[in-house]
Amino acid sequence: EAGVTQFPSHSVIEKGQTVTLRCDPISGHDNLYWYRRVMGKEIKFLLHFVKESKQDESGMPNNRFLAERTGGTYSTLKVQPAELEDSGVYFCASNQAGTGDYEQYFGPGTRLTVT
Amino acid sequence: AQKVTQAQTEISVVEKEDVTLDCVYETRDTTYYLFWYKQPPSGELVFLIRRNSFDEQNEISGRYSWNFQKSTSSFNFTITASQVVDSAVYFCALRDNYGQNFVFGPGTRLSVLP
Repeated sequence: EAGVTQFPSHSVIEKGQTVTLRCDPISGHDNLYWYRRVMGKEIKFLLHFVKESKQDESGMPNNRFLAERTGGTYSTLKVQPAELEDSGVYFCASNQAGTGDYEQYFGPGTRLTVT
Repeated sequence: AQKVTQAQTEISVVEKEDVTLDCVYETRDTTYYLFWYKQPPSGELVFLIRRNSFDEQNEISGRYSWNFQKSTSSFNFTITASQVVDSAVYFCALRDNYGQNFVFGPGTRLSVLP
């Protein structure tokens, strides 16, 4: 069974540019989460999808971040325009709702560098 | 508010030594879940263990063991006879019974030297 995949693995962009990160969850997982780790600090929650609906987006830092999950499969996280403080590693995770499967399965992350 | 503290930023041990990684958590919930994840140099977060708040049994899995103490709000992780492949960043995390998102600690970087 394929795990959570993320693309790209690394992105270097200039301040003011736009970047779109993609996450493909484990097949059949309804829950999809985005987290990020900035400057070696804690991994912080950004938002949670249940299928295509945003269940909790309380962690989104500001309106420069837009997450979508059309069709309830893969998700994208767009940063527009990117700022220096957005640099960090963005993790995606998934799990199946309603089965007691409480652990989240994480992808390898996308390392975003804004210069 | 929920919080997870991992006081040890970095630990270095020599191979075959035992090492304990500390995790202290804060929550007002009576039902919650604790996790440990390993982040090897390849970057992905690898699930190691989940512990429910109502189950204080300690667990051993090979060279890994976990000590859950509700009285001190701690969930410590011990690696016995450490190996170089154990070198990684280890994260402790907390999830309450209502939300789905995790609250992570800052991580402990473990270096096992040959």
